[in-house]
Amino acid sequence: GAGVSQSPSNKVTEKGKDVELRCDPISGHTALYWYRQRLGQGLEFLIYFQGNSAPDKSGLPSDRFSAERTGESVSTLTIQRTQQEDSAVYLCASSQGLHTGELFFGEGSRLTVL
Amino acid sequence: SQQGEEDPQALSIQEGENATMNCSYKTSINNLQWYRQNSGRGLVHLILIRSNEREKHSGRLRVTLDTSKKSSSLLITASRAADTASYFCATAGVSGNTPLVFGKGTRLSVIA
Repeated sequence: GAGVSQSPSNKVTEKGKDVELRCDPISGHTALYWYRQRLGQGLEFLIYFQGNSAPDKSGLPSDRFSAERTGESVSTLTIQRTQQEDSAVYLCASSQGLHTGELFFGEGSRLTVL
Repeated sequence: SQQGEEDPQALSIQEGENATMNCSYKTSINNLQWYRQNSGRGLVHLILIRSNEREKHSGRLRVTLDTSKKSSSLLITASRAADTASYFCATAGVSGNTPLVFGKGTRLSVIA
C-alpha cells in the first residue's frame, strides 16, 4: 500500500476483554515495529519483526501481550485480559532495512480500557 | 540504554521566530533521526544525520550532531503555526542490532 495502515483507529473495551490490533506495512518493507505511546509520553518499544521472525520479545510489557506477522506483511498485536494501564496509542512502523533507516509510521490505534 | 532525551519538554514561540530543540543520548550511535508528530497522529520522519556528519539541512530545518558531547539539536527557522507539533529524536545503535530508541519529545507551540 501507499503507507502503513493500522486498524482499528479507535478501540474502547472493557477491562478483561481481549483486543487485536492490526498493521499493514508498506509493501516490500521487511522490518516491522510496534511501539506504545501513553498520553503525552514518548514511544515505548514493544517488538519488531524481521520478515516473519521476532528475534526480541523482551519489550513486551507482560505475557498478556503477543504479536505475530504472516507472509512478511500483516502483523497483529494481541492484548489478552486488558487492564486499564494498557490504555495508550499503539503505533506500528515499517522500514526497508533493519534498525538504522527511516521508519514509516501508521496513524496508530488508540486503545481505551474502561 | 541509549535513550534520547529532548530539551526543553515544551516550547512556545511566536510565528516567525526560530525554534531550537536539543537531544542528548548515552551511547555510541550509527545515526540520529528527528521525527514530528501532530496531535493524535503518527510520527513523520524529518531528517537523519549519520555519526560521521556534523550538520545537515532540509528546507527550514537544520540539524547538528556533536558525538563528543552525545548531543544533537534541531533548529526550525522562521517558524509557522503549522509547525506546532511534538518533535522526537531517535537513536540507532552502532551495532545495528537494536531498534530505534525514542526520547520523550519536545512539544512546540507556534503562536500566530
